[in-house]
Amino acid sequence: GENVEQHPSTLSVQEGDSAVIKCTYSDSASNYFPWYKQELGKGPQLIIDIRSNVGEKKDQRIAVTLNKTAKHFSLHITETQPEDSAVYFCAANPSGGYQKVTFGTGTKLQVIP
Amino acid sequence: DTAVSQTPKYLVTQMGNDKSIKCEQNLGHDTMYWYKQDSKKFLKIMFSYNNKELIINETVPNRFSPKSPDKAHLNLHINSLELGDSAVYFCASSQVSGVNTEAFFGQGTRLTVV
Repeated sequence: GENVEQHPSTLSVQEGDSAVIKCTYSDSASNYFPWYKQELGKGPQLIIDIRSNVGEKKDQRIAVTLNKTAKHFSLHITETQPEDSAVYFCAANPSGGYQKVTFGTGTKLQVIP
Repeated sequence: DTAVSQTPKYLVTQMGNDKSIKCEQNLGHDTMYWYKQDSKKFLKIMFSYNNKELIINETVPNRFSPKSPDKAHLNLHINSLELGDSAVYFCASSQVSGVNTEAFFGQGTRLTVV
């Protein structure tokens, strides 16, 4: 089955700096890679996703890159703000639906004002 | 309107008891899930139901039994609760139609077994 590794497990940055979270996956059949943000006391919420036919996707201060050959993908947050503090999860899913999604181990991001 | 709602939000119970967690989604999705999040924040899928049919049943003790009375509801019943069952349980839903789409999660149920 799919194995998703995520690094770092914790990340502290100064407000305004950039944050980068990296993930690797093992199953070459995976073709959908969502990123979720989990705030304290809440369920995970999708913030951005990328499909295997795209190398990069950007949404305001958030961007995701995908390297299919190396089987890794990354989340980039620029101009971080205190409200970006949360746990972030990467995930990988093979084609055919959401049922087989595998989550990474999570990164706790702390943005220091 | 809450998209995915689960009740209760907190559940404290003694070992050996039987308890249920309810989940409802009003998004019209055809697939619902139960996830377990442990103290280290690891998210692991337990069950997946598509149109009331069990699709995924990961290695979960048979003390855990999901029940889907209709597409909008997926309840989780746990028998003979153990200390190790303490965790946050998340219900989620998505629309699966051959293309991967976003999953919407509930707020979670924090289960504490004492």
